[in-house]
Parts: sequence; structure tokens; C-alpha cells
Amino acid sequence: DAMVIQNPRYQVTQFGKPVTLSCSQTLNHNVMYWYQQKSSQAPKLLFHYYDKDFNNEADTPDNFQSRRPNTSFCFLDIRSPGLGDAAMYLCATSRSYGQGGDTQYFGPGTRLTVL
Amino acid sequence: GNSVTQMEGPVTLSEEAFLTINCTYTATGYPSLFWYVQYPGEGLQLLLKATKADDKGSNKGFEATYRKETTSFHLEKGSVQVSDSAVYFCAPLSGAGSYQLTFGKGTKLSVIP
Repeated sequence: DAMVIQNPRYQVTQFGKPVTLSCSQTLNHNVMYWYQQKSSQAPKLLFHYYDKDFNNEADTPDNFQSRRPNTSFCFLDIRSPGLGDAAMYLCATSRSYGQGGDTQYFGPGTRLTVL
Repeated sequence: GNSVTQMEGPVTLSEEAFLTINCTYTATGYPSLFWYVQYPGEGLQLLLKATKADDKGSNKGFEATYRKETTSFHLEKGSVQVSDSAVYFCAPLSGAGSYQLTFGKGTKLSVIP
């Protein structure tokens, strides 16, 4: 089945120690998104790629960066995690923007714990 | 920008009860409308969608109708099951060229046997 895969499902890191989360997709979608979801809150968009074009949300902290080396993979790098970065990180994909192509499909998420 | 007002939870229902979760939105143009469901410890799953006025999205016994005149997209199910216990998010996405889902705060549903 075509899907969005996130690894690992659970990640523990130490305060200030860089961490990378990964996402892959078999849907061959053009757009990939990273969301942050804190406990009992709605997901918040951090950034997204349309193909290789990177789009950063205005309020995404500089501590968060992303890479998309090819269509299938996208990475979220947290350079110096703080306690406030503990959250569920969700990857999503969509075929395109706009009507007909805008449905976003989510992966299972990576739960990040910062000690 | 878009905004969503979603029924506050938590909502607790007995099995086989009727479910309504209200959602109203403000958005520019003609947004696509989505309901996502999140089971405990999981990512979001698309539950249903509607892309134009009067469209009805349906899936797994859930339904929602795109009501442009009232800017609403209420979620309904005639008979809930324990397995429907989850958090439900309403989310409009504005039209061509747009990519940003505006999520409501989520409504936690607990169904008891």
C-alpha cells in the first residue's frame, strides 16, 4: 500500500543534542510537510517542500531545519533541542496544491522526548 | 486567514449513540473541507472531505455536508462504537494555490460500552 512512513516512532534525545527525524513516502507526491503537535493541541505547520522548493512558516524557530534529498525522503533536523521541543512530529504529503490535489496524507508520527 | 471553531470536548457517549461534532469556519474563497481523526498515540488519518458547496463526504459511517450558507461542516455518525474513540479535527483549506490546513482545536470523543 502506498503510504507515508516515519522513523523512528519514538525518539529520545538530550537537551542540546542534535536529532534528525525522517519521513519517506511511496505516494510519489510533490509536496511534503512537517508539523509539530504538542500535547492536546492541533498540529502546527513548520515548513513544507514543493518538489525542491523549501517554504518556511514565518514563526518556525531557526532551531528547526529540513532537507529533502529526493522526492521520496524528507528530514527534520533539530539543531539544539530544548525541553519545549518535546512533541509529536508529523510528516504529511499531498500531490499538489489547490482543488483536487490538496488532500494531505499523514504518517504515524514520531514522538520526541527531550531529557 | 482562515479560522475554525470546533465543538469543545471531551464528548462521552454510550455505544450506539448518535454523534454530532459541530464545526464552523471562516475562509477566503471556496475552501476544501476536511475531517481528520487521530487515535491515541497515532498520526492523523483522513476521515472524509468535501470540495464544494452541498457536497457530502462520508466514510466508515461518518458524514459531513459542506454548508456554504452557514459556513459549517458538522460531523455526524448514527451509531458510534468503542473503536471510534479518538480526537477529531475539522480543517478547511483555501482554494487554488493554497496548502495550509487550518486545524480546529480538536474534539476528544470517548465511547463507553
